[in-house]
Amino acid sequence: NAGVTQTPKFQVLKTGQSMTLQCAQDMNHNSMYWYRQDPGMGLRLIYYSASEGTTDKGEVPNGYNVSRLNKREFSLRLESAAPSQTSVYFCASTLDRGYSNQPQHFGDGTRLSIL
Amino acid sequence: GNSVTQMEGPVTLSEEAFLTINCTYTATGYPSLFWYVQYPGEGLQLLLKATKADDKGSNKGFEATYRKETTSFHLEKGSVQVSDSAVYFCALSLLTGNQFYFGTGTSLTVIP
Repeated sequence: NAGVTQTPKFQVLKTGQSMTLQCAQDMNHNSMYWYRQDPGMGLRLIYYSASEGTTDKGEVPNGYNVSRLNKREFSLRLESAAPSQTSVYFCASTLDRGYSNQPQHFGDGTRLSIL
Repeated sequence: GNSVTQMEGPVTLSEEAFLTINCTYTATGYPSLFWYVQYPGEGLQLLLKATKADDKGSNKGFEATYRKETTSFHLEKGSVQVSDSAVYFCALSLLTGNQFYFGTGTSLTVIP
């Protein structure tokens, strides 16, 4: 009963390095999301994918790219990491667009520090 | 626009005390409302939800009623336990736009 799985759980990068955060869900959900969580700011949406093959910008997309590899997987890439991107990143999924009463299911997060 | 405002924390209560965490929202349309809980080092978990006006969501002794007239969805529990210590997030979703809107979270610590 895995739900939403994120890898890695922790990562330390140097400024300018790149990396990809991986997310996979096994609930046959169509919509997937990437958030960042910073103290006092709650969750902010970076990108989302309403269905396989589509992606859209959220509130804070600058400095990030995403790929919806298939229905299960949605990755987040930092091309040139900056200290301002130090955060906890959460992936989430939900059943389908058009069903607003369906909750999101979250992974356990990736704690990313950029020095 | 769409937004969620919840009471600032942190909140510290003694075991068996009554809990209220206030949440109000602004939405264009008819939202569904949620409370999520986040335990240390974990992701958010759905605690309860309500999908239309006057609905009451409940789970694990927590309750919240969807009040359209006051645009509120306050979380309550009659007797908190140490194990309820966590961060609580109020959120809404809309049929259009496929997005969720979260409050900033309220940290609760329950002391024995």
